[in-house]
Amino acid sequence: GESVGLHLPTLSVQEGDNSIINCAYSNSASDYFIWYKQESGKGPQFIIDIRSNMDKRQGQRVTVLLNKTVKHLSLQIAATQPGDSAVYFCAENTDDYKLSFGAGTTVTVRA
Amino acid sequence: IAGITQAPTSQILAAGRRMTLRCTQDMRHNAMYWYRQDLGLGLRLIHYSNTAGTTGKGEVPDGYSVSRANTDDFPLTLASAVPSQTSVYFCASSETSGGANEQFFGPGTRLTVL
Repeated sequence: GESVGLHLPTLSVQEGDNSIINCAYSNSASDYFIWYKQESGKGPQFIIDIRSNMDKRQGQRVTVLLNKTVKHLSLQIAATQPGDSAVYFCAENTDDYKLSFGAGTTVTVRA
Repeated sequence: IAGITQAPTSQILAAGRRMTLRCTQDMRHNAMYWYRQDLGLGLRLIHYSNTAGTTGKGEVPDGYSVSRANTDDFPLTLASAVPSQTSVYFCASSETSGGANEQFFGPGTRLTVL
């Protein structure tokens, strides 16, 4: 089975609101996590990453939170814009070279 | 423009035919990867290469082979395509294979096997 999974397959959010995308992982030894954004017809693009020695990391309009106690990862997008509509994947480092991906959450931004 | 290129963009292939998907990166990354993406299953690793001259099996390697003759190129070959290999294929690379690093993805190849 998948070691990384997303709680909800779809998320609809009003433009200007904040979005929260959740992810659960099962491998307590994972030490690195990444969020990717994939727009239709394109390859995944890096958004933000976090290492297991941190519990929060901020980027431009995005924040990743890591809760190792419950093996939970979330991506927060501030002031969601139409261009944020995409599929979002979390991935965990399960080995020194491998990433294990979740199935993805489709985010749709309502105007 | 630096990055990863894949060819072809899309292909329709008859079952039983041989097909090679091409992947080239110009970032001088040591590690390269091939994934397939199917609806509802996310990205699954087919094969990887930690450095030129070495390759390894990922999660779903059956029916696929790879080679890594140099740093830049990492072709994926389907020796005898089957309909279950219909998918979108992504090539990726990362700066090092040791330790966790961001993977950069190509634009993908959409393959349909009839």
